[in-house]
Amino acid sequence: AAGVIQSPRHLIKEKRETATLKCYPIPRHDTVYWYQQGPGQDPQFLISFYEKMQSDKGSIPDRFSAQQFSDYHSELNMSSLELGDSALYFCASSPGRDLGEQFFGPGTRLTVL
Amino acid sequence: AQSVSQHNHHVILSEAASLELGCNYSYGGTVNLFWYVQYPGQHLQLLLKYFSGDPLVKGIKGFEAEFIKSKFSFNLRKPSVQWSDTAEYFCAVNRGYSGAGSYQLTFGKGTKLSVIP
Repeated sequence: AAGVIQSPRHLIKEKRETATLKCYPIPRHDTVYWYQQGPGQDPQFLISFYEKMQSDKGSIPDRFSAQQFSDYHSELNMSSLELGDSALYFCASSPGRDLGEQFFGPGTRLTVL
Repeated sequence: AQSVSQHNHHVILSEAASLELGCNYSYGGTVNLFWYVQYPGQHLQLLLKYFSGDPLVKGIKGFEAEFIKSKFSFNLRKPSVQWSDTAEYFCAVNRGYSGAGSYQLTFGKGTKLSVIP
């Protein structure tokens, strides 16, 4: 079965650089969630989209922005990177906003030097 | 806002021992409950979920969990663990269906399980 695809899987950036993370949800899933998992931490919700519209924001810094495109893939744009942004970034998709279950991608490991 | 509390940070068991990981949540409304497992270096995989109905739910790999509404708990159990169960386990909740809005997951801090052969 198709799964959530994230690219790149690993990314190394310098401080103050920008990064773009991509997420391709499972086909026919219209809802995407982004989570950030710091080292040894639990995943923290960043932002979500439903039918290409932002549906909620969590603890997402103002330096970050995201959008969902017409094909339902989503991109998380991160600017002015800081050391503390080093983390695993997960995308999850759901077949409907209110159906509860989320399917997670493999994550993008971002390292900021 | 929801919150999730997992009681144990690190659990060490011998193979064939029984497992119970505690999870309590705080939320005033209807919730969906989940247990996810994260093997070293891998992504989150769903072990089991509870939306409604029978409070005893069975998941993959012999895991089960019981939802006790009066205690706001959703403890994970397995009668006999294997070395391959070594992983980190996260309890998570989101709100049950209630119309517009987002259904993001709130996770507990996770419990690391180490199974000794």
